[in-house]
Amino acid sequence: DAGITQSPRHKVTETGTPVTLRCHQTENHRYMYWYRQDPGHGLRLIHYSYGVKDTDKGEVSDGYSVSRSKTEDFLLTLESATSSQTSVYFCAISAVGNQPQHFGDGTRLSIL
Amino acid sequence: DQQVKQNSPSLSVQEGRISILNCDYTNSMFDYFLWYKKYPAEGPTFLISISSIKDKNEDGRFTVFLNKSAKHLSLHIVPSQPGDSAVYFCAASGRNEKLTFGTGTRLTIIP
Repeated sequence: DAGITQSPRHKVTETGTPVTLRCHQTENHRYMYWYRQDPGHGLRLIHYSYGVKDTDKGEVSDGYSVSRSKTEDFLLTLESATSSQTSVYFCAISAVGNQPQHFGDGTRLSIL
Repeated sequence: DQQVKQNSPSLSVQEGRISILNCDYTNSMFDYFLWYKKYPAEGPTFLISISSIKDKNEDGRFTVFLNKSAKHLSLHIVPSQPGDSAVYFCAASGRNEKLTFGTGTRLTIIP
C-alpha cells in the first residue's frame, strides 16, 4: 500500500471555526491532491500540488486553501467552516501526473 | 456538467457470473481512463486503466473495454466473487494532472 496518512480521521467542529486537515506521504511523490466525496457527486477535486509551494485549484476550491512546504506534507485548510463543507475528504498522491493516483483512507469531517 | 457519468447507481450480480459496469464520458480530450474500487471507510483503490490508443486491457479477472467513438468504457469482472462487493468509480483525464470521476456504482455480489 502507498504510504499515505491522513489526520485526523474524524473531526466534528462548529460553523465558523478554522479547520486544517493533513496529508502525509512517505513515497516522495511529486503530485498530491485533495478531494471531497459527497453522495451523488463522486469524488471532486478541491486543490492539487505539483511540487513544493506549487499548487493549483480544482473543481470545488471555493472556501478552501492549501499549502505544501515539504514534499511529504499537503495541508488543506477551511478558514471558516460551513455546514456545506461536511464531507469525507481524501488525499491522493501520484509520481507522474495523475496516472494512477493512490488514496489515503479519508477524513470524515462534520460541521455543525 | 458531469463529464464522466455512471448511470447505474447500483448493480447486483450472482457469484460466479460476469459483472459489467459502465461509464460514459463527454469530453473528447480525455485520453486516459481508470477504474477504482472503494470499500466503506477506506480510500479508493486503483484497479485497472486504459489509454486511448487501446480498446482493451486485461488484468486477471478484470478487463476494461474502451469504445472511443461512443465515448464509453466498461469494466468486466469474471467470475464475480463476494469480495468484489464495493463501490466502483470510473475516472478520466486529459493532458493535465487532473482526474474527473464518475459518481460511482455500488456492486453487490450475491452468494
